[in-house]
Amino acid sequence: GAVVSQHPSRVICKSGTSVKIECRSLDFQATTMFWYRQFPKQSLMLMATSNEGSKATYEQGVEKDKFLINHASLTLSTLTVTSAHPEDSSFYICSAGQLLQETQYFGPGTRLLVL
Amino acid sequence: AQSVTQLGSHVSVSEGALVLLRCNYSSSVPPYLFWYVQYPNQGLQLLLKYTSAATLVKGINGFEAEFKKSETSFHLTKPSAHMSDAAEYFCAVSNFGNEKLTFGTGTRLTIIP
Repeated sequence: GAVVSQHPSRVICKSGTSVKIECRSLDFQATTMFWYRQFPKQSLMLMATSNEGSKATYEQGVEKDKFLINHASLTLSTLTVTSAHPEDSSFYICSAGQLLQETQYFGPGTRLLVL
Repeated sequence: AQSVTQLGSHVSVSEGALVLLRCNYSSSVPPYLFWYVQYPNQGLQLLLKYTSAATLVKGINGFEAEFKKSETSFHLTKPSAHMSDAAEYFCAVSNFGNEKLTFGTGTRLTIIP
């Protein structure tokens, strides 16, 4: 099956710094990638949808200047949390899908802790 | 707008017993429906999906789900629970497979030895 990786798996950073999370589709070309956020014991909330070569579409309430998304190639999307604060601590999960395909494939997630 | 309701945030069943996790959806267009499983500190793994073909869908690990349009339901079942089934289960809906998913709040399944 299709494999999606995320790097890093865990990151701890100081308040005010920026953190970049990578999402890669390893064995297929992902025309669309999604970024989700999951708080402890809660469901996944979609943050944004990114299509290769175009600007990401953010969900209502998600600050696009704080959560920068780049989808420069068909196998890589990055999420940068700028000027991170403790309330940004969460589990970030990406998924990837192919044009006209039915299924999204999820990465293993990145746990971010901002001190 | 779409939404998913998962009844029961926690379900406990004995090993070997029937597993039933409930999911009801709301969608203004014919839905695509998914069940995902999440183990601690991991991403989501697709169990099965409904994409307007057969209403009874079989997935991995012995799970299956039945799409019932009249009841707007997509309940997940497994005849005999295993200890390895203990995890968090999410039901999700989309308009089309490669569009954004709307997730339910999840059901934590505990298996009693």
